Amino acid sequence: DQQVKQNSPSLSVQEGRISILNCDYTNSMFDYFLWYKKYPAEGPTFLISISSIKDKNEDGRFTVFLNKSAKHLSLHIVPSQPGDSAVYFCAAGVTGGGNKLTFGTGTQLKVEL
Amino acid sequence: DTAVSQTPKYLVTQMGNDKSIKCEQNLGHDTMYWYKQDSKKFLKIMFSYNNKELIINETVPNRFSPKSPDKAHLNLHINSLELGDSAVYFCASSQEWTGGTYNEQFFGPGTRLTVL
Repeated sequence: DQQVKQNSPSLSVQEGRISILNCDYTNSMFDYFLWYKKYPAEGPTFLISISSIKDKNEDGRFTVFLNKSAKHLSLHIVPSQPGDSAVYFCAAGVTGGGNKLTFGTGTQLKVEL
Repeated sequence: DTAVSQTPKYLVTQMGNDKSIKCEQNLGHDTMYWYKQDSKKFLKIMFSYNNKELIINETVPNRFSPKSPDKAHLNLHINSLELGDSAVYFCASSQEWTGGTYNEQFFGPGTRLTVL
């Protein structure tokens, strides 16, 4: 049962434009959400998070939006840079769940010059 | 300095063999994890240990046994390897979970296991 879904396996964006990565979840118990970024041959690294009590969290060029009613979150990267080319994983967890994260299958972002 | 390291980086072995993957973290964290990323790119938690005590144990065959000699190390031993065990295995660590929302997990570079 795939509780966190990233339906776009890949996304290509031009440098300077906005990248929008999407994530859907089915488990209404999830109350915090994270985005991780992964380069080839490296482990995932934490990028940004959002709690279910918020609908937006911003950190520099990265903004995460949460729509609880739709069980949907998105990561916006503005402006996109070539160094942003990586796989982006959406993850979700439940407070009190022992820090257990449920991950999506990732979206490969390619930022082209 | 590598925060979370894993050895080996690549592991190729025959079906039926027993193998171990080692993980070490120098972040002073109390909690360590093992994840498996399969061919469909699912990144799924297998185990977590807090201060050498098992706290998360997902539905994993008992051929997989985590071993934590101290809180800086969490090794993964796999008995009687099968073709389906081929995957990338990631180790991670975090501050001790004390009941809050979450603590950021720091991942190692992964170990690609190929079972022939």
